[in-house]
This record gives sequence, C-alpha cells and structure tokens, in this order.
Amino acid sequence: DSGVTQTPKHLITATGQRVTLRCSPRSGDLSVYWYQQSLDQGLQFLIHYYNGEERAKGNILERFSAQQFPDLHSELNLSSLELGDSALYFCASSVFGYLDTEAFFGQGTRLTVV
Amino acid sequence: GENVEQHPSTLSVQEGDSAVIKCTYSDSASNYFPWYKQELGKRPQLIIDIRSNVGEKKDQRIAVTLNKTAKHFSLHITETQPEDSAVYFCAASWASGSRLTFGEGTQLTVNP
Repeated sequence: DSGVTQTPKHLITATGQRVTLRCSPRSGDLSVYWYQQSLDQGLQFLIHYYNGEERAKGNILERFSAQQFPDLHSELNLSSLELGDSALYFCASSVFGYLDTEAFFGQGTRLTVV
Repeated sequence: GENVEQHPSTLSVQEGDSAVIKCTYSDSASNYFPWYKQELGKRPQLIIDIRSNVGEKKDQRIAVTLNKTAKHFSLHITETQPEDSAVYFCAASWASGSRLTFGEGTQLTVNP
C-alpha cells in the first residue's frame, strides 16, 4: 500500500458524460500529480498541484480540469467524454513541489467510456 | 520539454539470465532518474532511482548506471526470476521540475 488513495477503482460511463476522479495523497505530501495511461501506452503527465496551486500542465485536454483542495486531496474532472478517454488514471504524490525523490502512485481509476 | 526514449519495448530472457533496459533523455538539466515496475493492472512502484551526482547504484539484483555526458541511463537486472516479469518504466526529472517524464516502457518476460 503506497498510502495514496484513489476512488473509484472502476468507472463505466457513456460518451458525453462527466466524471470526477478523486485522489488523497500520502499523509504529509503536498504535491499531487495526475497521469493517464491508455492501453499498452506509457504514462502521460496531465497536471501537477502543489499545496493547492497548479504548478505544471502537460498534455491535458481542455475538457479535463483538476483542483487540489485545502485538505490536499485532488479531483480530476473529465467532461464530454469520448471513447478515446478510456484509460487508467493514476495520481501520485510527493513531499515537495519538485521531483527529486520518490513519487508514490495510487492504484489508479480505470475509466471505461462506452 | 524533456523527452525520454526507452529500448527495447519488449525483452524476453531465460530465468537466471541478465536483463538490460536502456533510456536516453534530452534535457541536460535532468538530475533525477527513477525506474518503476508495473505489473498488469497495478500501480507503478519505484524499484530504484539515481541522482546525477552518482554514476551507479545497486540494490541486490538490480543496478542502475548513469552517463551524464551521453545522457543515458540503464537498468540492469541479474539472476532474473519469473516474478521479475512486468513492464519497466524509466523516467527523468530535474531539481526544480514539476513532473516526471516517462519512457514508453519495456515489457520484460522471464521464462522459467
């Protein structure tokens, strides 16, 4: 157990819908990172939040948004879903706002868009 | 931005043999290089990492080497076992960097 909690584990929804994925970082970690992993693909960086503020954006679609709350949990919102959005979505957390130490991954949310 | 290339994409070895996976990175400012192991449908887990002030690091059967001049780093697994079968990802980041950039992954299969 990494200490990073993601909910839900599985999500099946229809095209055009909106979903929210939730991530609780390890106790004491201030940073949350979101990654997308499509079938047989690598880990694509989406966005990074540190202590409530957005720090960096990767290849995140405009239909996607995220935020980090005062209690440091984070939510990734995916709207106007398309079949191609089906993927594993991971969040990871680390202590600092930069990455020169281990990032701990949650178990992921498997999103299936039908 | 940073780009990380990883080779090979698939690697099949016999139990007991060694396995080597290589990565190159583009940003000379990168100074942190972790390796993650991901079993099917599970989360990536750190197996070893190295920082740019170190050329080599070893942890039991796993070692990582770094060549800053050539901007490449490698994962070495000796005496492979079937439970080493998984996808391995290399990654790179820099001190003030806000993301880990991952390679495309290597599917390692260790045949009994």
